[in-house]
Amino acid sequence: GAVVSQHPSRVICKSGTSVKIECRSLDFQATTMFWYRQFPKQSLMLMATSNEGSKATYEQGVEKDKFLINHASLTLSTLTVTSAHPEDSSFYICSAWEFPNSPLHFGNGTRLTVT
Amino acid sequence: SQQGEEDPQALSIQEGENATMNCSYKTSINNLQWYRQNSGRGLVHLILIRSNEREKHSGRLRVTLDTSKKSSSLLITASRAADTASYFCAPASNTGKLIFGQGTTLQVKP
Repeated sequence: GAVVSQHPSRVICKSGTSVKIECRSLDFQATTMFWYRQFPKQSLMLMATSNEGSKATYEQGVEKDKFLINHASLTLSTLTVTSAHPEDSSFYICSAWEFPNSPLHFGNGTRLTVT
Repeated sequence: SQQGEEDPQALSIQEGENATMNCSYKTSINNLQWYRQNSGRGLVHLILIRSNEREKHSGRLRVTLDTSKKSSSLLITASRAADTASYFCAPASNTGKLIFGQGTTLQVKP
């Protein structure tokens, strides 16, 4: 089955530093990748949509300069949280979409804690 | 944007019982998808039902879709403690983009 690998699974960083999260589709090429964040006991909130070789499309209210998304290839997308602050602490989840009428395949998420 | 609304928000049953979760949405769709999320993990795809399908089965899962009522249901038969998780429905267009609602939190007691 389609596997999406997301790393790291957990990261703790100090306020003001940047953190990069990687999302790889291991056995398929992803037309599009999506990044979500999830606060405790809440649903997933879509942050942005990224297509290989083009700029990401951010959802309303998501700061594009703070959450940098790079989609370098059909199998790799990265999310960089720049100048992280404690309020950025959250669970970040990526997903990959292969073709129309196919489901999303999700990574296992990254727990980010900013101290 | 299209978002599914799951009902009930929480469901607690005994092992062996059936669990039914409902989903309503507002826009036209290409398909509707159901996902499961275990605590602290990513989402796992369960079933995708296309707009021209009315029912679909996968193991102990049965999904129905009524596009005239813009609703879907997920039935888990003979539930197990391992089915304890949050369940989300996601109406989908042709872009792949999914917006998730609050989900149904299912607890299956052993």
